[in-house]
Amino acid sequence: GQQVMQIPQYQHVQEGEDFTTYCNSSTTLSNIQWYKQRPGGHPVFLIQLVKSGEVKKQKRLTFQFGEAKKNSSLHITATQTTDVGTYFCAVSGNTPLVFGKGTRLSVIA
Amino acid sequence: EAGVAQSPRYKIIEKRQSVAFWCNPISGHATLYWYQQILGQGPKLLIQFQNNGVVDDSQLPKDRFSAERLKGVDSTLKIQPAKLEDSAVYLCASSFTEAEQYFGPGTRLTVT
Repeated sequence: GQQVMQIPQYQHVQEGEDFTTYCNSSTTLSNIQWYKQRPGGHPVFLIQLVKSGEVKKQKRLTFQFGEAKKNSSLHITATQTTDVGTYFCAVSGNTPLVFGKGTRLSVIA
Repeated sequence: EAGVAQSPRYKIIEKRQSVAFWCNPISGHATLYWYQQILGQGPKLLIQFQNNGVVDDSQLPKDRFSAERLKGVDSTLKIQPAKLEDSAVYLCASSFTEAEQYFGPGTRLTVT
Protein backbone atom coordinates (compact mmCIF):
# COMPACT_ATOMS: atom_id res chain seq x y z
CA GLY A 1 0.00 0.00 0.00
CA GLN A 2 0.87 3.68 -0.11
CA GLN A 3 3.76 4.59 2.19
CA VAL A 4 4.62 8.08 3.38
CA MET A 5 7.45 9.18 5.64
CA GLN A 6 7.47 12.37 7.65
CA ILE A 7 10.58 13.86 9.20
CA PRO A 8 11.47 14.88 11.77
CA GLN A 9 9.28 13.04 14.25
CA TYR A 10 9.76 15.74 16.88
CA GLN A 11 11.01 19.31 16.76
CA HIS A 12 11.60 21.65 19.67
CA VAL A 13 12.19 25.29 18.79
CA GLN A 14 12.53 28.58 20.58
CA GLU A 15 9.75 31.01 19.88
CA GLY A 16 10.70 33.09 16.87
CA GLU A 17 12.76 30.36 15.21
CA ASP A 18 11.72 28.79 11.93
CA PHE A 19 10.42 25.23 11.55
CA THR A 20 10.22 22.85 8.61
CA THR A 21 8.68 19.41 8.28
CA TYR A 22 9.07 17.14 5.28
CA CYS A 23 6.85 14.50 3.75
CA ASN A 24 8.28 11.91 1.36
CA SER A 25 6.68 9.24 -0.78
CA SER A 26 8.26 6.56 -2.95
CA THR A 27 5.48 6.90 -5.51
CA THR A 28 4.06 9.81 -7.48
CA LEU A 29 1.19 11.47 -5.70
CA SER A 30 -2.08 12.84 -7.04
CA ASN A 31 -2.18 15.46 -4.33
CA ILE A 32 -1.07 16.10 -0.79
CA GLN A 33 -2.91 17.62 2.12
CA TRP A 34 -1.57 19.08 5.34
CA TYR A 35 -3.38 18.98 8.67
CA LYS A 36 -2.63 20.35 12.12
CA GLN A 37 -3.69 18.61 15.32
CA ARG A 38 -3.43 20.48 18.61
CA PRO A 39 -2.77 18.43 21.75
CA GLY A 40 -6.04 16.72 22.70
CA GLY A 41 -7.73 17.99 19.57
CA HIS A 42 -8.66 16.66 16.17
CA PRO A 43 -6.93 17.18 12.82
CA VAL A 44 -7.75 20.47 11.11
CA PHE A 45 -7.25 20.90 7.38
CA LEU A 46 -4.61 23.44 6.39
CA ILE A 47 -4.12 23.11 2.63
CA GLN A 48 -4.13 20.86 -0.41
CA LEU A 49 -1.41 20.88 -3.08
CA VAL A 50 -2.12 19.42 -6.49
CA LYS A 51 0.31 20.80 -9.07
CA SER A 52 3.96 19.88 -9.53
CA GLY A 53 6.21 22.53 -7.96
CA GLU A 54 3.25 24.30 -6.38
CA VAL A 55 3.98 26.79 -3.58
CA LYS A 56 1.23 28.17 -1.39
CA LYS A 57 1.43 30.57 1.54
CA GLN A 58 -0.83 31.15 4.50
CA LYS A 59 0.53 34.01 6.60
CA ARG A 60 3.67 32.51 8.20
CA LEU A 61 3.15 29.05 6.70
CA THR A 62 4.65 28.08 3.32
CA PHE A 63 3.71 24.81 1.64
CA GLN A 64 5.60 23.32 -1.27
CA PHE A 65 4.95 20.34 -3.54
CA GLY A 66 7.99 18.79 -5.19
CA GLU A 67 8.54 18.88 -8.93
CA ALA A 68 8.24 15.11 -9.15
CA LYS A 69 5.15 15.13 -6.91
CA LYS A 70 6.81 12.72 -4.48
CA ASN A 71 7.57 15.07 -1.63
CA SER A 72 6.32 18.14 0.14
CA SER A 73 7.36 20.53 2.86
CA LEU A 74 5.70 22.82 5.36
CA HIS A 75 7.74 25.75 6.61
CA ILE A 76 6.72 28.03 9.46
CA THR A 77 8.50 31.36 9.78
CA ALA A 78 9.05 32.83 13.23
CA THR A 79 7.15 30.24 15.23
CA GLN A 80 4.71 31.28 17.93
CA THR A 81 3.35 29.31 20.88
CA THR A 82 0.08 28.99 18.97
CA ASP A 83 1.91 26.83 16.40
CA VAL A 84 2.29 24.00 18.92
CA GLY A 85 0.81 20.72 17.71
CA THR A 86 1.39 17.82 15.36
CA TYR A 87 1.54 18.48 11.65
CA PHE A 88 0.43 15.64 9.38
CA CYS A 89 0.74 15.24 5.68
CA ALA A 90 -1.87 13.08 4.00
CA VAL A 91 -1.19 11.71 0.57
CA SER A 92 -3.32 10.38 -2.21
CA GLY A 93 -1.97 8.33 -5.06
CA ASN A 94 -4.07 5.51 -6.43
CA THR A 95 -5.32 4.72 -2.94
CA PRO A 96 -7.50 6.60 -0.46
CA LEU A 97 -5.84 9.20 1.73
CA VAL A 98 -2.92 7.92 3.83
CA PHE A 99 -1.66 9.99 6.75
CA GLY A 100 1.97 10.22 7.78
CA LYS A 101 2.97 9.75 11.42
CA GLY A 102 3.29 13.48 11.87
CA THR A 103 5.85 15.92 13.20
CA ARG A 104 5.24 17.09 16.74
CA LEU A 105 6.24 20.71 17.20
CA SER A 106 6.84 22.23 20.59
CA VAL A 107 7.64 25.91 20.98
CA ILE A 108 9.54 27.21 23.96
CA ALA A 109 8.58 30.74 24.90
CA GLU B 1 -22.18 25.90 10.21
CA ALA B 2 -22.32 22.97 12.62
CA GLY B 3 -19.31 20.69 12.60
CA VAL B 4 -19.06 16.92 12.60
CA ALA B 5 -20.71 15.48 15.68
CA GLN B 6 -19.58 12.30 17.39
CA SER B 7 -20.73 10.43 20.45
CA PRO B 8 -19.83 9.26 22.94
CA ARG B 9 -16.66 11.28 23.60
CA TYR B 10 -15.18 8.67 25.88
CA LYS B 11 -15.83 4.99 26.40
CA ILE B 12 -14.22 2.41 28.64
CA ILE B 13 -15.03 -1.25 28.09
CA GLU B 14 -13.57 -4.60 28.95
CA LYS B 15 -12.05 -6.82 26.28
CA ARG B 16 -14.53 -9.04 24.47
CA GLN B 17 -17.34 -6.51 25.04
CA SER B 18 -18.96 -4.65 22.16
CA VAL B 19 -19.11 -0.91 21.55
CA ALA B 20 -20.70 1.41 19.02
CA PHE B 21 -19.80 4.92 17.94
CA TRP B 22 -22.05 7.41 16.19
CA CYS B 23 -21.20 10.16 13.73
CA ASN B 24 -23.30 12.91 12.18
CA PRO B 25 -21.42 14.63 9.34
CA ILE B 26 -21.71 18.21 8.18
CA SER B 27 -24.96 18.73 6.30
CA GLY B 28 -24.54 18.17 2.59
CA HIS B 29 -21.28 16.25 2.84
CA ALA B 30 -21.63 13.10 0.77
CA THR B 31 -18.35 11.51 1.84
CA LEU B 32 -17.88 10.15 5.33
CA TYR B 33 -14.76 8.57 6.79
CA TRP B 34 -13.95 6.60 9.93
CA TYR B 35 -10.37 6.69 11.15
CA GLN B 36 -8.54 4.99 13.97
CA GLN B 37 -5.80 7.05 15.63
CA ILE B 38 -3.52 5.24 18.01
CA LEU B 39 -1.50 7.43 20.37
CA GLY B 40 1.50 8.93 18.62
CA GLN B 41 0.36 7.88 15.14
CA GLY B 42 -1.44 9.49 12.27
CA PRO B 43 -5.09 8.66 11.58
CA LYS B 44 -5.57 5.36 9.77
CA LEU B 45 -8.54 5.08 7.44
CA LEU B 46 -10.92 2.28 8.37
CA ILE B 47 -13.76 2.92 5.96
CA GLN B 48 -14.92 5.55 3.49
CA PHE B 49 -18.54 6.03 2.42
CA GLN B 50 -19.86 7.96 -0.54
CA ASN B 51 -23.50 8.60 0.35
CA ASN B 52 -24.56 5.17 1.64
CA GLY B 53 -22.13 3.13 -0.45
CA VAL B 54 -18.71 1.90 0.64
CA VAL B 55 -15.80 3.35 -1.35
CA ASP B 56 -12.97 1.70 0.58
CA ASP B 57 -12.89 -0.65 3.55
CA SER B 58 -9.62 -2.40 2.83
CA GLN B 59 -8.18 -1.61 6.27
CA LEU B 60 -11.29 -2.43 8.27
CA PRO B 61 -10.80 -5.59 10.40
CA LYS B 62 -14.02 -7.11 9.21
CA ASP B 63 -13.97 -10.00 11.65
CA ARG B 64 -14.72 -7.56 14.47
CA PHE B 65 -15.45 -4.12 13.01
CA SER B 66 -18.54 -3.12 11.07
CA ALA B 67 -19.87 0.21 9.87
CA GLU B 68 -23.00 1.40 8.20
CA ARG B 69 -24.47 4.57 6.77
CA LEU B 70 -27.95 3.41 5.90
CA LYS B 71 -29.60 6.67 4.85
CA GLY B 72 -26.47 8.35 3.54
CA VAL B 73 -26.29 10.77 6.44
CA ASP B 74 -25.18 9.64 9.89
CA SER B 75 -23.10 6.55 10.48
CA THR B 76 -22.26 4.02 13.16
CA LEU B 77 -19.06 2.08 13.70
CA LYS B 78 -19.20 -1.06 15.83
CA ILE B 79 -16.55 -3.24 17.38
CA GLN B 80 -17.52 -6.70 18.53
CA PRO B 81 -15.69 -8.18 20.38
CA ALA B 82 -13.14 -5.56 21.42
CA LYS B 83 -9.47 -6.33 21.95
CA LEU B 84 -6.90 -4.46 24.00
CA GLU B 85 -5.22 -3.20 20.82
CA ASP B 86 -8.44 -1.44 19.80
CA SER B 87 -7.72 1.26 22.40
CA ALA B 88 -7.48 4.42 20.33
CA VAL B 89 -9.33 7.55 19.29
CA TYR B 90 -11.94 6.90 16.63
CA LEU B 91 -12.34 9.91 14.38
CA CYS B 92 -15.15 10.58 11.98
CA ALA B 93 -14.63 13.03 9.14
CA SER B 94 -16.74 14.28 6.27
CA SER B 95 -16.09 16.12 3.06
CA PHE B 96 -18.11 17.73 0.28
CA THR B 97 -15.74 16.39 -2.36
CA GLU B 98 -12.68 14.18 -1.93
CA ALA B 99 -10.77 17.26 -0.85
CA GLU B 100 -10.48 18.80 2.58
CA GLN B 101 -11.88 16.68 5.35
CA TYR B 102 -13.59 18.06 8.42
CA PHE B 103 -12.97 15.97 11.51
CA GLY B 104 -15.19 15.49 14.52
CA PRO B 105 -13.86 15.59 18.10
CA GLY B 106 -13.40 11.81 18.19
CA THR B 107 -14.30 9.06 20.63
CA ARG B 108 -11.54 7.95 22.95
CA LEU B 109 -11.90 4.20 23.52
CA THR B 110 -10.10 2.40 26.30
CA VAL B 111 -10.25 -1.37 26.36
CA THR B 112 -9.20 -2.96 29.66
